[in-house]
Amino acid sequence: RKEVEQDPGPFNVPEGATVAFNCTYSNSASQSFFWYRQDCRKEPKLLMSVYSSGNEDGRFTAQLNRASQYISLLIRDSKLSDSATYLCVVNWGNDMRFGAGTRLTVKP
Amino acid sequence: EPEVTQTPSHQVTQMGQEVILRCVPISNHLYFYWYRQILGQKVEFLVSFYNNEISEKSEIFDDQFSVERPDGSNFTLKIRSTKLEDSAMYFCASSELNTGELFFGEGSRLTVL
Repeated sequence: RKEVEQDPGPFNVPEGATVAFNCTYSNSASQSFFWYRQDCRKEPKLLMSVYSSGNEDGRFTAQLNRASQYISLLIRDSKLSDSATYLCVVNWGNDMRFGAGTRLTVKP
Repeated sequence: EPEVTQTPSHQVTQMGQEVILRCVPISNHLYFYWYRQILGQKVEFLVSFYNNEISEKSEIFDDQFSVERPDGSNFTLKIRSTKLEDSAMYFCASSELNTGELFFGEGSRLTVL
């Protein structure tokens, strides 16, 4: 099983759509979980941390299921500017491991 | 806003040459990392560094790679004898906590010919 595995995508959705990304991780000892966003040829940037109870930041909702080792990201009312690759990131001991990313394209 | 800075932004080198990529992490951060991303592929962990020593390294980080924090501000990645497959974007990152948010530099694109 891969360390961090994500939906391969790509996801092509119209503006205003709701889209959900899934991620699974193999290290049951992982304690920290994040969603990062990466624009084409740019560095990854933190979108949001993922907390045990789930958390929301505007149009973005993150959920964690420790028993299933599963993380999700929901984007509501998607905007053109949400087009990017979304990276699931999980701590691995003293470092962070990245999923391969899911590309999202929001179309007018 | 404090940021991680990397130099050079792009380096072209011949196979077999040594390359040093430089990073200045955010000043109050204690944990430093190098990641690489081959074009179109995932972000891959290379090495983490804390308290002036390597804390973890991946299987990619073989004897051709080394890291150093020569002074209080710089964090460098050296590739001793570059191979074609070392061509990638190399990202430096730093964090306050070892399980906290990573702040990335803009990356150094390495092209090995």
